[in-house]
Amino acid sequence: QVQLQQWGPGLLKPAETLSLTCAVYGGSLHGYFWDWIRLSPGKGLEWLGEMNQRGITAYPSALKSRVSISADESKNQIFLRLTSVTAADTAVYYCARGGQSGYRLDYWGQGNLVTVSS
Amino acid sequence: EIVLTQTPATLSLSPGESATLSCRASQSIRNWLAWYQQKPGQPPRLLIYDASKRATGIPARFSGSGSGTDFTLTISSLEPEDFTVYYCQQRDNWPPSITFGQGTRLEIK
Repeated sequence: QVQLQQWGPGLLKPAETLSLTCAVYGGSLHGYFWDWIRLSPGKGLEWLGEMNQRGITAYPSALKSRVSISADESKNQIFLRLTSVTAADTAVYYCARGGQSGYRLDYWGQGNLVTVSS
Repeated sequence: EIVLTQTPATLSLSPGESATLSCRASQSIRNWLAWYQQKPGQPPRLLIYDASKRATGIPARFSGSGSGTDFTLTISSLEPEDFTVYYCQQRDNWPPSITFGQGTRLEIK
């Protein structure tokens, strides 16, 4: 059974960098898409980006200048980095597996609440 | 960018009744639509993919239909645990992107 466990700091100050880690257990990174999504009260679920099987990343245009996704296959981990955070980045952040086509998000991490406040 | 519009925003029903949730895409997405259920404090759970296929372990009372631009999630004979929020989701391949509807909250009447 595939399980995703994620961790990272829960409180950031404006202008700092958000860094989250998602570890994959019971399965390999290889052959799948890996995504990050967040849930904020005012905006619902928002896709933050993906990494495909070839390590190619894609991001929404609104966040492209601030977000990056990477992976360490040796550790079976994926990472999210979001720079220059503001209060608008306060949300619950999730990692998820996007299946083999990047379409259906079939396994999710437990979520991390990240609050941005001075 | 394809926009997904979910209606209604809130649906009030009683246990045992049937729920019909709608999701409309701003342009045709064939049948590349998924539905998720999200309970408070939990991540979303995949219910339906390819518009009508139930994900592993999903009860038969959940069903999906539609293609093109109009999609429906039907929950027959509502159980108390079904009263929560539901999202639809689609994917574009060029450029790659995933979008979600704004959600429908199913509440107990």
